Amino acid sequence: DAGVIQSPRHEVTEMGQEVTLRCKPISGHNSLFWYRQTMMRGLELLIYFNNNVPIDDSGMPEDRFSAKMPNASFSTLKIQPSEPRDSAVYFCASSLGSGFNQPQHFGDGTRLSIL
Amino acid sequence: GQQLNQSPQSMFIQEGEDVSMNCTSSSIFNTWLWYKQDPGEGPVLLIALYKAGELTSNGRLTAQFGITRKDSFLNISASIPSDVGIYFCAGQQTQGGSEKLVFGKGTKLTVNP
Repeated sequence: DAGVIQSPRHEVTEMGQEVTLRCKPISGHNSLFWYRQTMMRGLELLIYFNNNVPIDDSGMPEDRFSAKMPNASFSTLKIQPSEPRDSAVYFCASSLGSGFNQPQHFGDGTRLSIL
Repeated sequence: GQQLNQSPQSMFIQEGEDVSMNCTSSSIFNTWLWYKQDPGEGPVLLIALYKAGELTSNGRLTAQFGITRKDSFLNISASIPSDVGIYFCAGQQTQGGSEKLVFGKGTKLTVNP
């Protein structure tokens, strides 16, 4: 079975540029989660969707961050404009059901470096 | 936001030794999860705990959901080199009618052969 697929695996860009991270959840999973991981703050939930609808975006840092899920098999996390402090590993995860009661399956992440 | 205190931050052990790590909080959680993360990869679920007092094993791994619902521990018996990685706890709780999932900062495990 294909797991959660994220792209790109690595992204290096200059501050001020727009960054788009992509995620394909496991087929049949109806919840999708975006996380950010840094040494200082650990793993933080940014936003999660259930049946393509955003349920909780209280973890999104600020208006520069936006996420969409146009269909059950694709989601994007966009940062515009990007800043050096956005440098982190961004993970996408998916699960069956709604909420957090079902185990989440993580992708391998996108390592983002903003210069 | 809500914090989980995970300890120890790091451990250096010899192959064959047993390992114990735990997570504590001042708040009550409904679910406890334990994940392992290898370098360059995403976290992988090891054990999920859904009831206070529950003790669950997965091979050499054993985890327990604390009876107070405020803590959980993970034990690894007879460690082997491939146990190296970062172990995270995560707790799920309901706050103000919405569900939240909080992660610990991780325990970095090094196993010397």
